Amino acid sequence: DSGVTQTPKHLITATGQRVTLRCSPRSGDLSVYWYQQSLDQGLQFLIQYYNGEERAKGNILERFSAQQFPDLHSELNLSSLELGDSALYFCASSVGQYENTIYFGEGSWLTVV
Amino acid sequence: GQQLNQSPQSMFIQEGEDVSMNCTSSSIFNTWLWYKQDPGEGPVLLIALYKAGELTSNGRLTAQFGITRKDSFLNISASIPSDVGIYFCGSAGYQKVTFGTGTKLQVIP
Repeated sequence: DSGVTQTPKHLITATGQRVTLRCSPRSGDLSVYWYQQSLDQGLQFLIQYYNGEERAKGNILERFSAQQFPDLHSELNLSSLELGDSALYFCASSVGQYENTIYFGEGSWLTVV
Repeated sequence: GQQLNQSPQSMFIQEGEDVSMNCTSSSIFNTWLWYKQDPGEGPVLLIALYKAGELTSNGRLTAQFGITRKDSFLNISASIPSDVGIYFCGSAGYQKVTFGTGTKLQVIP
């Protein structure tokens, strides 16, 4: 158990819908990262937050957004969902802004039908 | 974006054999990380490397941070069936970790 908690573990939704994925980082970690992993694909970095502020942005679509709340939990919002958005979405956390040893949650499986 | 070349893409080995995989990059990094991912689960950190030339072991696993800071190696000795999974290298500069495409390891009992 890495200490990073993600909910929901699985969800199925229709195209055009919007979903929110939630992440609680490890106790004491200030940075939260979101990654997308499609079938047989590697881990694609989406976005990083540190202590409530956006710090780095990767290949995140405009239909996707994220935020980190004062209690340090984070949410990834995916809207106008398309079939190609079906993937495993991972949250990870680390202690600091530049602390590069990150710990992953178990992921949220999103299936868009 | 940044690309990491991880090889081999997949391996089938006999139980008890040693395994070696590596990652290379065109960029210099400050940190190299190795993760293992079991099906349907999140990647689990195996080894983290922070200095060029550093050699670190974790049980039967040994990883090295290349002296040029552009590569890293992971070795698994005396493989066992539970070593099956996908191994990812990750390299970190500032603010984000980039991952390789993974090495899928199958161990034949």
